[in-house]
Amino acid sequence: DTEVTQTPKHLVMGMTNKKSLKCEQHMGHRAMYWYKQKAKKPPELMFVYSYEKLSINESVPSRFSPECPNSSLLNLHLHALQPEDSALYLCASSPGTSRETQYFGPGTRLLVL
Amino acid sequence: QQQVKQSPQSLIVQKGGISIINCAYENTAFDYFPWYQQFPGKGPALLIAIRPDVSEKKEGRFTISFNKSAKQFSLHIMDSQPGDSATYFCAARVTGGFKTIFGAGTRLFVKA
Repeated sequence: DTEVTQTPKHLVMGMTNKKSLKCEQHMGHRAMYWYKQKAKKPPELMFVYSYEKLSINESVPSRFSPECPNSSLLNLHLHALQPEDSALYLCASSPGTSRETQYFGPGTRLLVL
Repeated sequence: QQQVKQSPQSLIVQKGGISIINCAYENTAFDYFPWYQQFPGKGPALLIAIRPDVSEKKEGRFTISFNKSAKQFSLHIMDSQPGDSATYFCAARVTGGFKTIFGAGTRLFVKA
């Protein structure tokens, strides 16, 4: 299984809502990532978990809250988002050390109204 | 500042032609250079990757050329096909870490 799955595929939420994005991989990877991608732009790194511990937080606003319940799962909790947060949210995983390929999921298309 | 500069922004190539995308980096603290292909509505997928101790890597119709002294690397797509129409990102992985810096992307359109 060389797949990273993400749910939901699409999400529409109001600025007062609380929602969560889910990511799952069963490749035994020990590093997992959240990226944000705006239209016609490259992915921007948000968070990295390494061995289930938060390794990188790219100064992301606190309205985004990551969680790594176990080595296969990664969540992104969303609260009080702004319309400018509308984007494609990508999850990725890699085996766990540098010089390794990241495998991306299909993303969750988020629209904040 | 860690940056990867990618050009051109967009590219139109005839079917059967060669597509060439160029990238340059400024910081030497990179140890892995992947290229990703992304179709609309999909996540990026690894196309081919190279390490800085190798000058060229070929996989099927895709070739990476790497010039360490010039801090430049490029992707060549031989015999380009309409199915290759996508956005291509070059990237550089920070040495010893988990951070990957992406180029701005090149939108390739292959005319049938």
